[in-house]
Amino acid sequence: GQSLEQPSEVTAVEGAIVQINCTYQTSGFYGLSWYQQHDGGAPTFLSYNALDGLEETGRFSSFLSRSDSYGYLLLQELQMKDSASYFCAVMSSSASKIIFGSGTRLSIRP
Amino acid sequence: DGGITQSPKYLFRKEGQNVTLSCEQNLNHDAMYWYRQDPGQGLRLIYYSQIVNDFQKGDIAEGYSVSREKKESFPLTVTSAQKNPTAFYLCASSGTTKETQYFGPGTRLLVL
Repeated sequence: GQSLEQPSEVTAVEGAIVQINCTYQTSGFYGLSWYQQHDGGAPTFLSYNALDGLEETGRFSSFLSRSDSYGYLLLQELQMKDSASYFCAVMSSSASKIIFGSGTRLSIRP
Repeated sequence: DGGITQSPKYLFRKEGQNVTLSCEQNLNHDAMYWYRQDPGQGLRLIYYSQIVNDFQKGDIAEGYSVSREKKESFPLTVTSAQKNPTAFYLCASSGTTKETQYFGPGTRLLVL
């Protein structure tokens, strides 16, 4: 089967850096995606890593280690608007759908 | 503007009633998906369709039905068999890169 694990909650301070980890188990791996969802809103795509290493997009970066079945989302210069839930996701072994983690709720304190 | 629309934003269902949630996309995507999200929870896949006139059950298909008669449209019917339908329903689509899904704004279904 396939499963993803990520922390349920993370708290950080405005202006700081926070890392949200994701470990996965899957029989066929294509890549790791990250989505952001604000309360009451729809998820929005943030990043996708198919290869090992760090991908940077502005204040957000995403890292993948295929050998460790592990990835993380790094948020820098945290702003209050970054308070949201963050989901990691992998493609199913049949490559027909993606499987989402249960989400990490990020709370940011002033 | 390209995107996904869902309607209505809020929907009320009476006991024993079937209701249909609309999902339309103009992104020219082949694949479309329906998810259910309960408060504080993740996304659970109800049904998905990779091409017109074809669809597959997801993890929680019981009590739901779908159709895919047009590429742009993927309506979801919540039947009376779904005994606990109160949730946030999200429709999504993806193109050649299935890992990148685009979501509609969602429909909140409440039971009267």
